[in-house]
Amino acid sequence: GAGVSQSPRYKVAKRGQDVALRCDPISGHVSLFWYQQALGQGPEFLTYFQNEAQLDKSGLPSDRFFAERPEGSVSTLKIQRTQQEDSAVYLCASSLGLASGLYEQYFGPGTRLTVT
Amino acid sequence: KNQVEQSPQSLIILEGKNCTLQCNYTVSPFSNLRWYKQDTGRGPVSLTIMTFSENTKSNGRYTATLDADTKQSSLHITASQLSDSASYICVVSFSSGGYQKVTFGTGTKLQVIP
Repeated sequence: GAGVSQSPRYKVAKRGQDVALRCDPISGHVSLFWYQQALGQGPEFLTYFQNEAQLDKSGLPSDRFFAERPEGSVSTLKIQRTQQEDSAVYLCASSLGLASGLYEQYFGPGTRLTVT
Repeated sequence: KNQVEQSPQSLIILEGKNCTLQCNYTVSPFSNLRWYKQDTGRGPVSLTIMTFSENTKSNGRYTATLDADTKQSSLHITASQLSDSASYICVVSFSSGGYQKVTFGTGTKLQVIP
């Protein structure tokens, strides 16, 4: 497809469950970002990949959050032992360049995670 | 701390009217500023990008301004349409740790009514 895709679009998890969220970036895009967007708020940075290398994970809120991009394309964000405060929309974005702000980030539709 | 603040938080206008959304930032060192439109249930889509030396940039009915001295930007929407109903997010890029990061504002939720 032409855009960034994410799956699943919606996920309901019981507190304590592990979840895995997938992002398929635009083919050939070097940079990949994960964001967390709480209801009514702007996206908050979680982590950044340049190809397969995770260059910045300073935004991950706890060690329960883990992201990978093993082959430099598809990325997975994993949340272990989910808590209610993890409920949010998780957005993935990719860009052609090396995380320069001049390269537009193209966003996926997001995965809405609800922890009950 | 790098921050991006937007106002108003929400806005309701009649179809056909104009409106202006504001963005103030404290991000440093500044690289560029984008305005994004986010429809409900969708990811944000870039409307405009402005670098330090640019004061105004237009994209159809959207016109963005930037005052790098006062660290303020505005997004003006002309002749609003129902399809303009969305959240508008101001995003500022800055250099950190050898590459550029972005800080998102909390957005302005615009509702255009007939």
